[in-house]
Amino acid sequence: TQLLEQSPQFLSIQEGENLTVYCNSSSVFSSLQWYRQEPGEGPVLLVTVVTGGEVKKLKRLTFQFGDARKDSSLHITAAQPGDTGLYLCAGVRPEDSSYKLIFGSGTRLLVRP
Amino acid sequence: ETGVTQSPTHLIKTRGQQVTLRCSSQSGHNTVSWYQQALGQGPQFIFQYYREEENGRGNFPPRFSGLQFPNYSSELNVNALELDDSALYLCASSFSRDSPLHFGNGTRLTVT
Repeated sequence: TQLLEQSPQFLSIQEGENLTVYCNSSSVFSSLQWYRQEPGEGPVLLVTVVTGGEVKKLKRLTFQFGDARKDSSLHITAAQPGDTGLYLCAGVRPEDSSYKLIFGSGTRLLVRP
Repeated sequence: ETGVTQSPTHLIKTRGQQVTLRCSSQSGHNTVSWYQQALGQGPQFIFQYYREEENGRGNFPPRFSGLQFPNYSSELNVNALELDDSALYLCASSFSRDSPLHFGNGTRLTVT
């Protein structure tokens, strides 16, 4: 059983559409990170959220950490083909050291021109 | 600034063999973490090395071992390879133990 469940697993949308991907858990996390991974490459950190209810924006990407620090979402506005990739959430449990990341299985996004 | 580099990029081994994967840290980084990413899954933490010592370990058996060298480069060794060890092995360096990770592009290991 995955500690962090991501949904949907796959998403194929048209350029210009909006989308939201979710990262859910029954456990509390002291922080949560979002990464994007492209084929043949390692994950690249997009954002870290640490406070319950926190919202961070990175251009057309909006990240939210749930009030109870058990879930997070990533919203992309007006998606572009360059947004295509595997989106991974990763959390740190309060009982773990901050370097021990627990990853979800990812959401694979395809943005069609 | 040179990023994290891993070698080789691809490797095919037979069950029971041993393998060594290598990682060069990003300049200025003294901490290296290794992750295993099976096909269709997210990465799983194997262990972290800080100043040449193992600093923490995930749920991997002892046949997974590592080294960090004085120049902060690192090796991941896997003995007695099993078919389930087939995966992308990712190395990530960081400025310190609690700093953001910078991942390399991984080594794709196939065990037949």
